[in-house]
Amino acid sequence: DVKVTQSSRYLVKRTGEKVFLECVQDMDHENMFWYRQDPGLGLRLIYFSYDVKMKEKGDIPEGYSVSREKKERFSLILESASTNQTSMYLCASRGFRGGRSSYEQYFGPGTRLTVT
Amino acid sequence: QKEVEQNSGPLSVPEGAIASLNCTYSDRGSQSFFWYRQYSGKSPELIMSIYSNGDKEDGRFTAQLNKASQYVSLLIRDSQPSDSATYLCAVHGFQKLVFGTGTRLLVSP
Repeated sequence: DVKVTQSSRYLVKRTGEKVFLECVQDMDHENMFWYRQDPGLGLRLIYFSYDVKMKEKGDIPEGYSVSREKKERFSLILESASTNQTSMYLCASRGFRGGRSSYEQYFGPGTRLTVT
Repeated sequence: QKEVEQNSGPLSVPEGAIASLNCTYSDRGSQSFFWYRQYSGKSPELIMSIYSNGDKEDGRFTAQLNKASQYVSLLIRDSQPSDSATYLCAVHGFQKLVFGTGTRLLVSP
């Protein structure tokens, strides 16, 4: 079974703080993703990475950065947290299945971030 | 027009009934389609994937795909109260998965 873990389930930070959200997967997946989920807006892609040290902007990258130094780990960084970044943050990964690239994404448990 | 559209619900069905969840998408080039289940406060869990026109069955779940009509559906047979959740439709477009906002399903005992 694919296992995706995230560093915290709940996090409370103050406005202006630098925030690190960590995600680790144990399936040797090439692709990793960061989403945020807000009521009425659904899942929105922030950043994704298809290889170590590679990153691509998603639909809402403003205010965020990412780091992928190792294949299994993908970090989301909020450089200066703001109240509008209060949200549920979800990490996902996908890789190969049966020797072919699979588009199935598997999610971690999520981090509920509150910025006050 | 949203890329992936779902009725937000709630869809209420009695225990034992068939629940039918629907999804339409706008990108005709999409080739991969997924259904996720999300319980309140939890992360999405992949329950079905479908790539070809027609039906795909897995236990009590059946996914249906009609690419000509740009329509995907999920049928849940013998619905149980434990099926009460939000069901997200996801469609793979260019480089990324696009999610609908989900349909909330309520199964009453």
